[in-house]
Amino acid sequence: QPVLTQSSSASASLGSSVKLTCTLSSGYSTYIIAWHQQQPGKAPRYLMKLEGSGNYNKGSGVPDRFSGSSSGADRYLTISNLQFEDEADYYCETWDSNTYVFGTGTKVTVL
Amino acid sequence: EVQLLESGGGLVQPGGSLRLSCAASGFTFSNYAMSWVRQAPGKGLEWVSGLSGSGILTYYADSVKGRFTISRDNSKSTLYLQMNSLRAADTAVYYCAKDRGFDIWGQGTMVIVSS
Repeated sequence: QPVLTQSSSASASLGSSVKLTCTLSSGYSTYIIAWHQQQPGKAPRYLMKLEGSGNYNKGSGVPDRFSGSSSGADRYLTISNLQFEDEADYYCETWDSNTYVFGTGTKVTVL
Repeated sequence: EVQLLESGGGLVQPGGSLRLSCAASGFTFSNYAMSWVRQAPGKGLEWVSGLSGSGILTYYADSVKGRFTISRDNSKSTLYLQMNSLRAADTAVYYCAKDRGFDIWGQGTMVIVSS
């Protein structure tokens, strides 16, 4: 079963960029992951699926400010031109066979 | 519009049962695997259970295996979660989610297990 590691928090100023990292455990470095955003008090929202190649497929309505990239076992979510509404928890998620695992989430604060 | 709408949550005593429903619209329901994901108060997301588009193949997290049963009625585009022998640790918001990668989420339904 893969394990996903995320830092607990990140912060950046309004209008700047922030890059979040999700690291796959050993033996799972080729796995596809998904990124989800959860604003305070709301349900999660799918942002994108991200391959090990760096190719990603965003969900409907996800702003262009959100992009993904990969390097080895690391999967990244970059938020450019940070807005106050981007203040949220961000979870990565993957699957193995037919079971799923989430990272512990990164709380993004917009300064 | 693609949408998932959960219902059936509420307050239940330890050892009790509850059945959650998730009504889907805007897509061909039977074509997609579906899952239940929960979130305890102040905690992260936890996958609970999933099943194939046909409903034949089912999968469970160890924490709920033997107590929860996932099912679907493709004629009604509805997903279910039968929860038995409920414990305080099952207290959470329960979400249904579509397909691998959970590209669509419902709004959630709250389950509180307490005496």
